[in-house]
Amino acid sequence: AAGVIQSPRHLIKEKRETATLKCYPIPRHDTVYWYQQGPGQDPQFLISFYEKMQSDKGSIPDRFSAQQFSDYHSELNMSSLELGDSALYFCASSLEGAPWGPEAFFGQGTRLTVV
Amino acid sequence: GENVEQHPSTLSVQEGDSAVIKCTYSDSASNYFPWYKQELGKGPQLIIDIRSNVGEKKDQRIAVTLNKTAKHFSLHITETQPEDSAVYFCAASKVVYSGGGADGLTFGKGTHLIIQP
Repeated sequence: AAGVIQSPRHLIKEKRETATLKCYPIPRHDTVYWYQQGPGQDPQFLISFYEKMQSDKGSIPDRFSAQQFSDYHSELNMSSLELGDSALYFCASSLEGAPWGPEAFFGQGTRLTVV
Repeated sequence: GENVEQHPSTLSVQEGDSAVIKCTYSDSASNYFPWYKQELGKGPQLIIDIRSNVGEKKDQRIAVTLNKTAKHFSLHITETQPEDSAVYFCAASKVVYSGGGADGLTFGKGTHLIIQP
């Protein structure tokens, strides 16, 4: 079965550079979520989109922005990178309105290292 | 906002024994409670979930119970196997079932489950 696809899997950037992470949700899923997970920590919710509109906002820094495109894929844009932005970034997708519940399935993540 | 507490942080059990992980949540409006298993270097994998209109749900060796009054939910794994070793996260969110999407998940801090052979 198709899963959530994230690219790239690994990314190394220098401080103050920008990065763009991409997420391709499971086919027919209409909601995308972004999470940040530091080493040994739980995933922290950043932002989500439903039908290409922002649906919920978490602890996303002002330096980050995201959007969902007409084909439902999403991109997380990160600017003025800081050392503390080094983390695993996960994208998840779900199908809202599904009678069995909003099951969110996660991708394999992008490991961002800021040096 | 929502706050999810998870205990214990580490749990070591003998293979074949049962494991129980407990979580509490603070926001009485939360109505959806999934559990995720995360192996090293991989994304969280949904293993079971429960909605607030249900008190218990079971899927083979895994079960989840929910006490809405106490704002408490638990994961039960029976007949544990070595491949159950991983970090387990509980989570909570609010879902508008009539449409409009779900809030992002608030996760607990995780439980490192170790299955001793």
